[in-house]
Amino acid sequence: SQQGEEDPQALSIQEGENATMNCSYKTSINNLQWYRQNSGRGLVHLILIRSNEREKHSGRLRVTLDTSKKSSSLLITASRAADTASYFCATGPRSNDYKLSFGAGTTVTVRA
Amino acid sequence: GAGVSQSPSNKVTEKGKDVELRCDPISGHTALYWYRQSLGQGLEFLIYFQGNSAPDKSGLPSDRFSAERTGGSVSTLTIQRTQQEDSAVYLCASSLARLAVGSNEQFFGPGTRLTVL
Repeated sequence: SQQGEEDPQALSIQEGENATMNCSYKTSINNLQWYRQNSGRGLVHLILIRSNEREKHSGRLRVTLDTSKKSSSLLITASRAADTASYFCATGPRSNDYKLSFGAGTTVTVRA
Repeated sequence: GAGVSQSPSNKVTEKGKDVELRCDPISGHTALYWYRQSLGQGLEFLIYFQGNSAPDKSGLPSDRFSAERTGGSVSTLTIQRTQQEDSAVYLCASSLARLAVGSNEQFFGPGTRLTVL
């Protein structure tokens, strides 16, 4: 079964607005990663947050992690048309965290 | 090279034929991964190579699937007697040696879109 599951499945926003998506996972983790995928091809790593971190920022991205709830959120601020993509969270079991498990992703559409 | 490369970018084959997909990881990356992504789905882990260690093949869906990594660099994923359900995008990724737990950022190639008719 999938370790990470994103919510919502799809999100449509106006350029300049913020986009928030959530990820839930099932087992203990060492870290959680967020990736972006354009046009159904290669994924681009966005940010990694470790299990002892609660919040992390990278440019217009803000990620939170709540290990007690086994959940994470990704916030994209001041969205741009170029942010249109699918976003995936990825986790791996603590013992073998290289075996990343990806959810089905959140498809974000930013309207100009 | 600058990034992970994969070839071919697209492959159309007939049911029952064998296919080989190639991955060139980032130079210096000792870890290499193969994933499969079906339409509208997340990624499914297939196999993991780390240096000279025995690969983790636990994600391979059947014995028709095999992979090898020669010289610790280039990897080939082979699918024998392809079936229509094998149609998917096959993604390869590489990462640096895992110097510490919690540092496994993966760099992905553009993928190979396989269509089995």
